[in-house]
Amino acid sequence: EPEVTQTPSHQVTQMGQEVILRCVPISNHLYFYWYRQILGQKVEFLVSFYNNEISEKSEIFDDQFSVERPDGSNFTLKIRSTKLEDSAMYFCASSDGQGNSPLHFGNGTRLTVT
Amino acid sequence: SQKIEQNSEALNIQEGKTATLTCNYTNYSPAYLQWYRQDPGRGPVFLLLIRENEKEKRKERLKVTFDTTLKQSLFHITASQPADSATYLCALSNYGGSQGNLIFGKGTKLSVKP
Repeated sequence: EPEVTQTPSHQVTQMGQEVILRCVPISNHLYFYWYRQILGQKVEFLVSFYNNEISEKSEIFDDQFSVERPDGSNFTLKIRSTKLEDSAMYFCASSDGQGNSPLHFGNGTRLTVT
Repeated sequence: SQKIEQNSEALNIQEGKTATLTCNYTNYSPAYLQWYRQDPGRGPVFLLLIRENEKEKRKERLKVTFDTTLKQSLFHITASQPADSATYLCALSNYGGSQGNLIFGKGTKLSVKP
C-alpha cells in the first residue's frame, strides 16, 4: 500500500538555526498538510497546501514557517530560526480530496531544539 | 473554532470485552467525523469516517456512532485484543460542514490486558 515517507526521522538543531523537514506524499494525492504534536499533547494543524499554494494555515504557522513543493514529489516544511518551543513531532499528511477524505500520515520527524 | 473533548485520557479493559470511547464537540456540527489510531512514536492511522446523515458505521470489529443532537460520537471495539492497545483520536473539521481542516482531540489511550 502506498505510504507517506518523511525524512529525517530525528533532527537535532540549535536554537536559531534553520531546519527543513522533508516529505514524499502519496503520488496521486493533491492535498498536502503539516501537523505537529508536542510531547504528550494533541495533534495540531499547521498548514494545508493545494495547487501549489497554501490553502489554510493556523496561528502556529507564523512567518518563521514556510512550505514548498519544489518538484513533483517532495513537500517540505522550513523553520527559519528555530526556538526551543518548536521541539515536537512534525507529521506530513496527504489526501486525495478535501472535505471528507481521510488523511494519510507519515511517521513523523522528531525535532529537538537545544 | 471547534472544540473536541475525548473525556477519558485512559481506558483499561480486559481482553475480549468491548471498549467504548467517547468524543464530544462543542460548536459547529461537522459534515463528518473521523477516528484514527496512533501508536507511540508513529503517525495517526485512519480507521473510520462517519457522515452526519449516518447514525452508525461498522468495519470488522469497529463500530462508530454519530449523534448530532448530543454532539457526540462513540467508538466501539468489540472482542478487544491486546493488539488493540493504542491511542484513539477523534477528528473533525474546524468549521461547520466539511469546510476547514481537521482538528484532533487529545485522544484516549486504550490498554487491553490479556
